[in-house]
Amino acid sequence: AQKITQTQPGMFVQEKEAVTLDCTYDTSDPSYGLFWYKQPSSGEMIFLIYQGSYDQQNATEGRYSLNFQKARKSANLVISASQLGDSAMYFCAMRDMYSGGGADGLTFGKGTHLIIQP
Amino acid sequence: EAGVTQFPSHSVIEKGQTVTLRCDPISGHDNLYWYRRVMGKEIKFLLHFVKESKQDESGMPNNRFLAERTGGTYSTLKVQPAELEDSGVYFCASSQAAYEQYFGPGTRLTVT
Repeated sequence: AQKITQTQPGMFVQEKEAVTLDCTYDTSDPSYGLFWYKQPSSGEMIFLIYQGSYDQQNATEGRYSLNFQKARKSANLVISASQLGDSAMYFCAMRDMYSGGGADGLTFGKGTHLIIQP
Repeated sequence: EAGVTQFPSHSVIEKGQTVTLRCDPISGHDNLYWYRRVMGKEIKFLLHFVKESKQDESGMPNNRFLAERTGGTYSTLKVQPAELEDSGVYFCASSQAAYEQYFGPGTRLTVT
């Protein structure tokens, strides 16, 4: 069984500072994917970034980067130069990527409520 | 290109009634997923369609929930009869590749 743990229920950060949102995971599967989603107050889930378990380099997407430490089973999201619009719930998720090319549904953490202060 | 759409955005029903939620995936996406978030809990996977076939329905809570995807396009999730613990936000997501899933805005279901 897979498990995602997000230990920060809420965070307050000053605008323009960098933010690190913690995520640890547990799985017995050798091939898996890690995802981060943002959920603003409007409720929509927005895909941010993906990291494959066999990827050699950390994923980056604009101001988002994923600090992937496989031995520690850690997949922290780093947001550089935070903006007021970054205020939202952030969810870490994972799923198996089995060799047949299919994929299961995502397993989510409880989320971190990030508030950016001016 | 239109994103994933869900209807209705909000539904309030009484215990024992029936509700049908609809999801229209992104055009061309073979994979369709249903998830649910009960207040204070994690978002939980319910089931996965590949085209019109149920690939994995291990997350369906009980037989009061019935999901269909006729013709491999839109999907419906019916709850019959609804119970108080069914209240929550129901998300639909679709994907073509086995990577990112694109989520809809969700349907907030309130059972009173």
